Amino acid sequence: DIVMTQSPLSLPVTPGEPASISCRSSQSLLHRNGDNFLAWYLQKPGKSPQLLIYLASNRASGVPDRFSGSGSGTDFTLKISRVEAEDAGVYYCMQALQAPRTFGQGTKVEIK
Amino acid sequence: QVQLVQSGAEVKKPGASVKVSCKASRYTFTNNDINWFRQATGQGLEWLGWMNPNSGNRGYAQKFQDRVTMTRNTSMSTAYMELRSLKSDDTAVYYCARCVGVDCAWFHPWGQGTLVTVSS
Repeated sequence: DIVMTQSPLSLPVTPGEPASISCRSSQSLLHRNGDNFLAWYLQKPGKSPQLLIYLASNRASGVPDRFSGSGSGTDFTLKISRVEAEDAGVYYCMQALQAPRTFGQGTKVEIK
Repeated sequence: QVQLVQSGAEVKKPGASVKVSCKASRYTFTNNDINWFRQATGQGLEWLGWMNPNSGNRGYAQKFQDRVTMTRNTSMSTAYMELRSLKSDDTAVYYCARCVGVDCAWFHPWGQGTLVTVSS
C-alpha cells in the first residue's frame, strides 16, 4: 500500500496569514497519462470531506483562489495564501493512483 | 447540484450485519463508480472498496474482503454497502463518494455519512 505522510499534524494560524501543509507519498503518484493522482480534502467538524484540489494542482469548482496545490512525484504541498476563519478543519491528502486509496493522517488547522 | 444522500444511523450488536444505502441524484448514476470509506471517531479516513453501478463490478480492500458486499439498484439510483460479522471496532461513520476523472482520480461529492455503532 502507498503510505501518505502529512506534516505538520497541527497548525495554528492567525487570520490573514499564510499556511502550508506538506504531503509525501511512499511511491510516485505520477500516472501514465502524466498527471499526479493526488487530491486534497477539507473536513470541517461534523461534516463529510469536501474536495479542494485534484490532480495535485487543480482547484475544485467553488474553492476560493486562496487555496493552491503544487508538487509532483512524491512531494506535494497545499497552500492557503491568507487564512480565513472558515478554513478551520482537518486537511487530508489522498492518493488515487492505486488501490487501496490511502490518506495522510490529517492536519488540523486551528484559527488563533 | 450532484448529491449523495445516505441512510440513517444504525445500532447493531456484535456479530450482526449492517446495510447502508447511498442515493444519488442530479447525475446519471451509472456513469460514475461509487466508493465507500469509513472514519472512526477522531481517526482518519479508511477506504473499503468500489463498485461500478453500470456493470456491477466491484473491488474491496483486502482487510474487508470476506465481510463486505457492495451492490446497487440502478432503477433507484442507489448504492449499498453491507458489512457482516460486526465487531466493536467497526463503530465508525461510513461514507459513500462518487468517483470523478480518469481512473477515478478524485471523489466528489461525498455523502453526509452514516454512523454505525456496534455495541452489546
